[in-house]
Amino acid sequence: GNSVTQMEGPVTLSEEAFLTINCTYTATGYPSLFWYVQYPGEGLQLLLKATKADDKGSNKGFEATYRKETTSFHLEKGSVQVSDSAVYFCARLTDSWGKLQFGAGTQVVVTP
Amino acid sequence: DTEVTQTPKHLVMGMTNKKSLKCEQHMGHRAMYWYKQKAKKPPELMFVYSYEKLSINESVPSRFSPECPNSSLLNLHLHALQPEDSALYLCASSQERGGPDTQYFGPGTRLTVL
Repeated sequence: GNSVTQMEGPVTLSEEAFLTINCTYTATGYPSLFWYVQYPGEGLQLLLKATKADDKGSNKGFEATYRKETTSFHLEKGSVQVSDSAVYFCARLTDSWGKLQFGAGTQVVVTP
Repeated sequence: DTEVTQTPKHLVMGMTNKKSLKCEQHMGHRAMYWYKQKAKKPPELMFVYSYEKLSINESVPSRFSPECPNSSLLNLHLHALQPEDSALYLCASSQERGGPDTQYFGPGTRLTVL
């Protein structure tokens, strides 16, 4: 069935390291794709989104490109900070009813 | 302003209590959502309201009762909950239901059922 698959965490990095979190989806058509971030004890914040193939979303140094050939939407950041420690969720919009389907989430831990 | 507010932040209740969670947005959004999030899991959709009408109920037990008094407010009434209902309850809103619209989430209410 349709799904969103993220790489498992936790991912532990040193400050200023390069971060990649893989996300792939299965779906009919080309759904809108999102990355949300959840800091400890908080709700979800939209990090970036892409609504069609080849779109690139970017925000706060994070980027992700909607690749229909590989059905992927990998999240990248060139130089992480301790403040980027959080859980990152990839999500797709499933249908016109507004249902978001989330991946399992990837915990990222950045150490000084 | 992309703020969704939720009250209370924390709630502890017994299995025989009745309580309500509240959510508010002033972005003019016409779709509002309730999600449940267990620890170390992604959010799970519970209900969707579109133009103040319930459009999705994801087979949620009747001890959870949503209400949308107007386009800015969304409530979740709780009655006779079980300990396994302890979770973070998240509210979200979007311009319209569906399409490419972004859902904006509130900070959540952390519910503990004793």
